[in-house]
Amino acid sequence: EDQVTQSPEALRLQEGESSSLNCSYTVSGLRGLFWYRQDPGKGPEFLFTLYSAGEEKEKERLKATLTKKESFLHITAPKPEDSATYLCAVQLEDSNYQLIWGAGTKLIIKP
Amino acid sequence: SAVISQKPSRDICQRGTSLTIQCQVDSQVTMMFWYRQQPGQSLTLIATANQGSEATYESGFVIDKFPISRPNLTFSTLTVSNMSPEDSSIYLCSVGKAGWTGELFFGEGSRLTVL
Repeated sequence: EDQVTQSPEALRLQEGESSSLNCSYTVSGLRGLFWYRQDPGKGPEFLFTLYSAGEEKEKERLKATLTKKESFLHITAPKPEDSATYLCAVQLEDSNYQLIWGAGTKLIIKP
Repeated sequence: SAVISQKPSRDICQRGTSLTIQCQVDSQVTMMFWYRQQPGQSLTLIATANQGSEATYESGFVIDKFPISRPNLTFSTLTVSNMSPEDSSIYLCSVGKAGWTGELFFGEGSRLTVL
C-alpha cells in the first residue's frame, strides 16, 4: 500500500536552533514529492517540488532534499514566524493529480 | 497564483441536515478539488470537480453523500448531506493551474461541526 509518513509529529525548537523534518514514503513509483506549509486556520501553501533522488530546493531558511525513500526539510536558524505545520505529499507515477499526503509535522519555534 | 474564497468559514450543524460549501476562484481553472482534513490526520481527496460533467469521486466517497456542482471554471460547491458527527472536519477547496507541477492553491477551509 502506498504510504507517506512524517516525523516527528511535533517539534519544538528555540529560535536559531536548526533541525530537520522527515518524510518517508513507500510507493510503487514516484512522480514527484511536494512540501507545503499550513498555518492555523489556513489552507496549505506550496513550498517545493522534488522529482528525483539527489535533488535539492531552497527557499529562505528552508532546504528540501530527496532520496529514494525519504525527503528532509531542513530548517536553518529558524525564527518564530517559521512556526507552522509542514506537510509532505507524493504523486504517484501513474497518477495525473492524486496526491498522497502525510499527517504533517507541527513545528513550534520559541523566541 | 490563485485566490480562493470559501464560504462558510465555519458552521455548527445538527445531525441529519445538509450544508453546502461554496468555492470561488479569482481566475479560470481547469483542475478543482475538494479535500477533507480531520484533526491530526492527512488531507484526503474527496473528489475532483469537473466543469461540465460529473465529479470524479475517490474511494470511500459517494455522490449521494457529497454532491458537487461545477457550473463554470471559477466556481464549485460541495454539499455534505445527511450529516453525522463523523462528518465534523475541515473541508478544503483547491485548484491547480495549467501545466500542473504539483502546486495546489487552497482556500482557507470550512470548519464544520456536527452535533
